[in-house]
Amino acid sequence: AQSVTQPDIHITVSEGASLELRCNYSYGATPYLFWYVQSPGQGLQLLLKYFSGDTLVQGIKGFEAEFKRSQSSFNLRKPSVHWSDAAEYFCAVVQYNFNKFYFGSGTKLNVKP
Amino acid sequence: DADVTQTPRNRITKTGKRIMLECSQTKGHDRMYWYRQDPGLGLRLIYYSFDVKDINKGEISDGYSVSRQAQAKFSLSLESAIPNQTALYFCATSDYRSPGANVLTFGAGSRLTVL
Repeated sequence: AQSVTQPDIHITVSEGASLELRCNYSYGATPYLFWYVQSPGQGLQLLLKYFSGDTLVQGIKGFEAEFKRSQSSFNLRKPSVHWSDAAEYFCAVVQYNFNKFYFGSGTKLNVKP
Repeated sequence: DADVTQTPRNRITKTGKRIMLECSQTKGHDRMYWYRQDPGLGLRLIYYSFDVKDINKGEISDGYSVSRQAQAKFSLSLESAIPNQTALYFCATSDYRSPGANVLTFGAGSRLTVL
C-alpha cells in the first residue's frame, strides 16, 4: 500500500528565513507527487506537482520541490518565507492510474515576525 | 462563483441525526471525491466516484453513504451521526481525461460537529 510521511508536525521559521518541508513516500513505481497548502479556514490549494521530467519543479508563491527517487522524497522549499506563508502543507501521492490520492498528515508552518 | 461548492459550510447536529453534505462543481470533471480531515491525520478518503454509475469505497467508508445525482453533484450522507464523525469534510474533483493536468480541485470544506 502507498503511504506518505511528513515527519514534521509543526515548524516555526522567522520571516525571511529559508524553509524546507520534508515528504517521504512509499510506492513501488514512479509516483505522481503533489504539494497542497491549506490556509486557515480554507480548502486546499495546489502549490506544485511532479509527473515526470525535470526533478526540480517550480510552483506558485515562490515554492519549489525536488523529487529524489533514491531517497523516496519530495521536499518542499522556499528561499525566503513571508508571514502569509503560515499555513498547513500537505504532501500527496497518487496511484499510477489516478484512482486514489494519498495524503500525508500535514506540516503546520508558523512564521515569526 | 467557486468551481467546487460545498453546503453547508458549518453544521452542528446531535447524535443519531441524519446529515447530508452536498457538493456541486462547475469544472465539468468526471471524478469526484469525499475526504475527511482530522488534526494530525491528514486527509482520508471516504468515497470516490468516476462517473454517475461508478461509486467506490475509500479508506473509511463505514458510517457514510454517497449519491452521485449527476456529473456535477456528489452528496455525502451520515445516516446516524456519531460524535467521532466530527471533522472537516472536503469534496474534490479531478479530470482523468487529461492525465498531465490531473490534480485535485477542492471545495472550501464543510465543518461538521456532532454533539
